[in-house]
Amino acid sequence: NAGVMQNPRHLVRRRGQEARLRCSPMKGHSHVYWYRQLPEEGLKFMVYLQKENIIDESGMPKERFSAEFPKEGPSILRIQQVVRGDSAAYFCASSPGEGTEQYFGPGTRLTVT
Amino acid sequence: QKEVEQDPGPLSVPEGAIVSLNCTYSNSAFQYFMWYRQYSRKGPELLMYTYSSGNKEDGRFTAQVDKSSKYISLFIRDSQPSDSATYLCAGRGQNFVFGPGTRLSVLP
Repeated sequence: NAGVMQNPRHLVRRRGQEARLRCSPMKGHSHVYWYRQLPEEGLKFMVYLQKENIIDESGMPKERFSAEFPKEGPSILRIQQVVRGDSAAYFCASSPGEGTEQYFGPGTRLTVT
Repeated sequence: QKEVEQDPGPLSVPEGAIVSLNCTYSNSAFQYFMWYRQYSRKGPELLMYTYSSGNKEDGRFTAQVDKSSKYISLFIRDSQPSDSATYLCAGRGQNFVFGPGTRLSVLP
């Protein structure tokens, strides 16, 4: 049973470009969470999605950031017009149900130059 | 005050020692708690998932929750150099809130 998959593992973007991060949850999991982690800091919740629905986006910046989890395919975290401050590790987690244990992917490390 | 606090460490112990890692939290609505291990530049790996107060044991790991004092602990018995990592605790209110992590180093 494959774990949570994320790609790309590393992404370099210039300021002003768009970044698209993909997450495929574990088989049988329909709940996806996105987190951001800066060096020496904990994981910061960004958004919680179920298939075709955003359940909670209270941790996501109002501008430039968006997330989706379509009926088919992976969940996408999209950052438009990236700035240097967006450089971080972005982790996706999935769970089999609401409030149950979360399993993390390997993360995507975004570097904005 | 942060919702979940941890001593960042680093905590260094000799191989074979019993390790105690601790977190405090402020949100009395937290019911579920998790401990994760994160190696450098890797994703967090779930170690323990507990509900409400009490103890839970899994191999060399024991998680303890004391809701009355808002205190959660992870004990590692017979620690190994491979346990060297950052340990993250998390509590769940509306969403899971993570502490900043404690860096552990087990010296051979």
